[in-house]
Amino acid sequence: DAKTTQPNSMESNEEEPVHLPCNHSTISGTDYIHWYRQLPSQGPEYVIHGLTSNVNNRMASLAIAEDRKSSTLILHRATLRDAAVYYCIPENYGGSQGNLIFGKGTKLSVKP
Amino acid sequence: DAGVTQSPTHLIKTRGQQVTLRCSPKSGHDTVSWYQQALGQGPQFIFQYYEEEERQRGNFPDRFSGHQFPNYSSELNVNALLLGDSALYLCASSSEDRGFINEQFFGPGTRLTVL
Repeated sequence: DAKTTQPNSMESNEEEPVHLPCNHSTISGTDYIHWYRQLPSQGPEYVIHGLTSNVNNRMASLAIAEDRKSSTLILHRATLRDAAVYYCIPENYGGSQGNLIFGKGTKLSVKP
Repeated sequence: DAGVTQSPTHLIKTRGQQVTLRCSPKSGHDTVSWYQQALGQGPQFIFQYYEEEERQRGNFPDRFSGHQFPNYSSELNVNALLLGDSALYLCASSSEDRGFINEQFFGPGTRLTVL
């Protein structure tokens, strides 16, 4: 399984963009990169995923390096509700639903 | 759609006892996974059930067992509880039909305290 490295914590101001980095230098060619976040006192929730191309959805954007050894989750305008622990999870696509291997993630604080 | 529901919300047990946690998956989902989250750590995968069979298992002892019912709901059983089993237990559901997208929906968890 690919190992990941994320900052332990980051701070942002409300309504400013946030770039959350993740290094996954041992990722294989078939590993999708998933991002989940966990709001306080809740279970994790899916944010976004990608393989090679940059991806956008209503929650965030995912920028994937050309060599796929790193990725960046981008929150375009942070809100107080975005304060959470963000997990970067490379996952091997084996043709069936795999398990998710969580690291410690990045705790994002958002200041008003 | 109620999403993933878990019961009970909180539970206090003593060492050596046995506990059963319950999970109802999101409507339309057929796969249930269980995770253990210790304080300050990320969730750790326990096992996954699909078609009423354990399909994958993480690095957890046999004291941890589970079951999936025909309606796709699931139970997690832990025998001979240890102090170290105190944690938040999360259930996640997903759909096999989604193919390569491993989008799992998590419940709010059951907080287990072992005294």
